[in-house]
Amino acid sequence: DVVMTQSPLSLPVTLGQPASISCRSSQSLVHSDGNTYLNWFQQRPGQSPRRLIYKVSNRDSGVPDRFSGSGSGTDFTLTISRVEAEDVGVYYCMQGTHWPRTFGQGTKVEIK
Amino acid sequence: EVQLLESGGGLIQLGGSLRLSCAASGFTFNNYGLTWVRQAPGKGLEWVSSIDYSGTDTYYADSVQGRFTISRDNSKNTLYLQMSGLRAEDTAVYYCAKGFHTYDYWGQGALITVSS
Repeated sequence: DVVMTQSPLSLPVTLGQPASISCRSSQSLVHSDGNTYLNWFQQRPGQSPRRLIYKVSNRDSGVPDRFSGSGSGTDFTLTISRVEAEDVGVYYCMQGTHWPRTFGQGTKVEIK
Repeated sequence: EVQLLESGGGLIQLGGSLRLSCAASGFTFNNYGLTWVRQAPGKGLEWVSSIDYSGTDTYYADSVQGRFTISRDNSKNTLYLQMSGLRAEDTAVYYCAKGFHTYDYWGQGALITVSS
C-alpha cells in the first residue's frame, strides 16, 4: 500500500500568517494516464470533508485563492497564504492513483 | 446542486449485518464512480470501497474485503454498502463520496456503532 505521510500533525498558526503542510508518498503518484491524483481535503469541526485541491494544484470552485497546492512525484505541499479563522480544522492529503486509496494521518490547524 | 444522502446507520450487534444506502441527485449518476470512506471516532479518514460507473469493477480495503459488498442501482441513483460480520473496529461515520480518483462531493455521513 502507498503510505501518505503528513507533517506536521499539529500546526498552530497566527491569523494572517502563512502555513504549509507537507505530504509525502511512499511511491510515485503519477498514474499510467499521465495524471497525478493527489488531493487535499479540509474537515472543519463537526463537518464532512470538503475537497480543496485535486490533481496536485487544481483549486475547487469556491475555495479561496489563499489555498494552493504544489509538488510532484512523491512530494507535495498545501499552502495557506494568510490563515483566517475559518481555516481551523484538519487537513488530509489523499492519493487516488493506486489501490487501495490512502489518506495521510491529518494535520490539525489551530489558531495561536 | 449535487447531493449525497446516506441512510441506514445505527446500533448493531457484534457479528451483525447492515446495509447503508446513499441517495444521489444533481448529477448524471451513471457517469461517475462512487466511494465509501469511513472515520472512526476521533480518528482520520479511511478509504473503504469504490465502484466504477457501471458497477462492473469494485475495490475494497483489506480490512473489509470479504465482509462488505459495494453495489449501485443506476435506475434509482443509489449507492449501497452491504456490511456483514461487523466488528467493533467497524464503528465509524461512513461517508459516501462522488468520484473514483478524487472525491468532489461528500455526504453528511451515517454513524454505525457496533456493540457487544
